[in-house]
Amino acid sequence: DAGVTQSPTHLIKTRGQQVTLRCSPKSGHDTVSWYQQALGQGPQFIFQYYEEEERQRGNFPDRFSGHQFPNYSSELNVNALLLGDSALYLCASRETGGAGNTIYFGEGSWLTVV
Amino acid sequence: GENVEQHPSTLSVQEGDSAVIKCTYSDSASNYFPWYKQELGKGPQLIIDIRSNVGEKKDQRIAVTLNKTAKHFSLHITETQPEDSAVYFCAASIPRASGGSYIPTFGRGTSLIVHP
Repeated sequence: DAGVTQSPTHLIKTRGQQVTLRCSPKSGHDTVSWYQQALGQGPQFIFQYYEEEERQRGNFPDRFSGHQFPNYSSELNVNALLLGDSALYLCASRETGGAGNTIYFGEGSWLTVV
Repeated sequence: GENVEQHPSTLSVQEGDSAVIKCTYSDSASNYFPWYKQELGKGPQLIIDIRSNVGEKKDQRIAVTLNKTAKHFSLHITETQPEDSAVYFCAASIPRASGGSYIPTFGRGTSLIVHP
């Protein structure tokens, strides 16, 4: 049973560029959330997708956008990259309507903006 | 919104000792409290969770306690081993009115170091 998978694992971008990160949820899960984790901090909620729509959003600017596909996989897009966007980006999935509230994280994508 | 405070930021213990990490939350509506372990270079992994209708939960060497009145919860690790060394995060979740979706708010993490 594959867990949450993310790609790429590491990438380096230049200020002002755009980046796309990808996530495949755990088998049987239909809800995907994205988190940003800066060094030495806990994960910060960016947004959540369910049924291909953004359902909830954290305190992140519109430069952060996403998409969910019919197979439940998801993308996170960040435009006009800033140095402060350097962080570990985590994807998490859960089964909506399941008995528990547990979310499962992927290994993350390390983004460095130079 | 919810605010979660976690202490200590760093905890150093000898192998075999116990370790305790404490968290407080601000919103009394929170009713789900997971704990995650994050090893270097990896994503957080759920190790135990507790719901507000339970005061304590135990799983082998780890246990979590919850005091809803005081709005704090704690992680207890007994007989620590070097492989327990990692960053531990607590979180608190408020149920949403629509769809029942829980979005956890995380603490800043505790770096646990277990010396052999």
